[in-house]
Amino acid sequence: SQTIHQWPATLVQPVGSPLSLECTVEGTSNPNLYWYRQAAGRGLQLLFYSVGIGQISSEVPQNLSASRPQDRQFILSSKKLLLSDSGFYLCAWSIQGSNQPQHFGDGTRLSIL
Amino acid sequence: AQSVTQLDSQVPVFEEAPVELRCNYSSSVSVYLFWYVQYPNQGLQLLLKYLSGSTLVKGINGFEAEFNKSQTSFHLRKPSVHISDTAEYFCAVSGRGSTLGRLYFGRGTQLTVWP
Repeated sequence: SQTIHQWPATLVQPVGSPLSLECTVEGTSNPNLYWYRQAAGRGLQLLFYSVGIGQISSEVPQNLSASRPQDRQFILSSKKLLLSDSGFYLCAWSIQGSNQPQHFGDGTRLSIL
Repeated sequence: AQSVTQLDSQVPVFEEAPVELRCNYSSSVSVYLFWYVQYPNQGLQLLLKYLSGSTLVKGINGFEAEFNKSQTSFHLRKPSVHISDTAEYFCAVSGRGSTLGRLYFGRGTQLTVWP
């Protein structure tokens, strides 16, 4: 069966520090991969998605970037965190195709001080 | 593009009462529809999905939803809720024909079940 791992579960970082969140999927090949941010009461905001290695599409211009160095690895990064980057970050994967549901990791709670 | 409106941000209900969480969508193409549940500090878990066929879809934990194309709705129902159903519920839509499977989410409905 397929599993998705996301870490760390919680992270407290000072303003201006770098960020790296990692997500890996097991048990499937060539998945679509997604990064979301969830702010309280605002639902899910799609940040990045990827349909293959090295292929990244950005939905919202911002202080973050994403990379997919391997088929089942998706990394969310920032060179300098802002206070507004605080939130709950979720990674998800799906089989390619519009009728395929997305499957989510357990998320990372990021607090910026 | 597609969009989703969840009409209630919060729904309080007593244990063993029925509940309906409302979802309306907008799309220029045919759609697939999904409901997810999120427990505190966890990711989203798929409750059920409508792809085609019968408009009444049954999911996990005793939930069901009915697709109504004329009303562009996909309301979630449960005949008798438990305390453990307290969570946030998200409705999502995907447009048919997209290989990406991009999901458009509603803002969520917080279901709180009281004893």
